[in-house]
Amino acid sequence: EAQVTQNPRYLITVTGKKLTVTCSQNMNHEYMSWYRQDPGLGLRQIYYSMNVEVTDKGDVPEGYKVSRKEKRNFPLILESPSPNQTSLYFCASRGLGAQYFGPGTRLTVL
Amino acid sequence: AQSVTQPDIHITVSEGASLELRCNYSYGATPYLFWYVQSPGQGLQLLLKYFSGDTLVQGIKGFEAEFKRSQSSFNLRKPSVHWSDAAEYFCAVGERYGNKLVFGAGTILRVKS
Repeated sequence: EAQVTQNPRYLITVTGKKLTVTCSQNMNHEYMSWYRQDPGLGLRQIYYSMNVEVTDKGDVPEGYKVSRKEKRNFPLILESPSPNQTSLYFCASRGLGAQYFGPGTRLTVL
Repeated sequence: AQSVTQPDIHITVSEGASLELRCNYSYGATPYLFWYVQSPGQGLQLLLKYFSGDTLVQGIKGFEAEFKRSQSSFNLRKPSVHWSDAAEYFCAVGERYGNKLVFGAGTILRVKS
């Protein structure tokens, strides 16, 4: 089954404790993205990747890092999380002209 | 700059009634338009997309949308709403071969029986 998976689905952490949210797709897509969703703001793009070792900033990249060492994986790294990064995060990969989203990761930073 | 406006934050319709969710966009080039649905606690599911051609596009779950270039709109419609349609709906605009989608703030649909 074609899908985008994310782990963990839920995470509660404390300010400053580094964390990684993993994202994996099994569709051999080149393009992948990370978004955050906040009430009243819709989804905003954090980072995207056009292929292995090619990444670029989206609209809200501050406080985040990404890497793309393999085509299928696109982890999101928060090196020093802060409470304003409490949000719902979605990974997406693009194929057939549309983006397909993972199930989301709800992150709470205390 | 690209932007998407969904003027209605909440809409309530009766089960069996028709539905129209509004979406207006601002985009400098040829827009590629999408509607996604998010059920509570779920990810986003693609309902339909418009790239070119016929301006009335059909999607899954009985939804359709009409692209009107003169009005910069891409409204979503359904002739008869079911209780299971209660969800949040997002309109988005992007480039066909680009990687960025710009989303509207979403419209929450409530269905009353």
